[in-house]
Amino acid sequence: QKEVEQNSGPLSVPEGAIASLNCTYSDRGSQSFFWYRQYSGKSPELIMFIYSNGDKEDGRFTAQLNKASQYVSLLIRDSQPSDSATYLCAVNRPQAGTALIFGKGTTLSVSS
Amino acid sequence: GAVVSQHPSWVICKSGTSVKIECRSLDFQATTMFWYRQFPKQSLMLMATSNEGSKATYEQGVEKDKFLINHASLTLSTLTVTSAHPEDSSFYICSAKTGGYNEQFFGPGTRLTVL
Repeated sequence: QKEVEQNSGPLSVPEGAIASLNCTYSDRGSQSFFWYRQYSGKSPELIMFIYSNGDKEDGRFTAQLNKASQYVSLLIRDSQPSDSATYLCAVNRPQAGTALIFGKGTTLSVSS
Repeated sequence: GAVVSQHPSWVICKSGTSVKIECRSLDFQATTMFWYRQFPKQSLMLMATSNEGSKATYEQGVEKDKFLINHASLTLSTLTVTSAHPEDSSFYICSAKTGGYNEQFFGPGTRLTVL
């Protein structure tokens, strides 16, 4: 079983719509969850992190965490063409402290 | 804040040569640095975790004698790819974190091409 799973997409949404990105993880001991955005040929940039169950909002972005279901999601409201990128879900690996395990990423395409 | 730099941003080398990549935290002290490798259309694969002043911890399947990691100070870690071969061609990315915080801040990456 893969440690962090994401639907590779592509996920296509029109400009102004809500984009919903999902991620599941296998290690119940994980405590820290991150969403990174990666443009083609560039390194990842941190969008949000979440540690507690529930929702966390930051501008147009909302991260949702459900530890019981081992599920974390990212909602992007009012999607813009500049949001078109690959979104990586990352989860800390408890037995290795702070090392992060990344999913393969979901490619988002926002059309204008 | 939390800026991480890498040098060089790209490098082309001949098969059999060694290449050193530097990772620096510019405005904070990085107690831990991580080295990742990313092949086209693949996710980031953790290669090793490096703590300042101690030996790096390598992931299973990563050859420690081939990928030499040095973390001599709180702001600098280096990755040396020894005897590089074409299959080592990849995008190498470092990240850094400070003690007590789980967020990792990524460098811009180094694209290595081995001919």
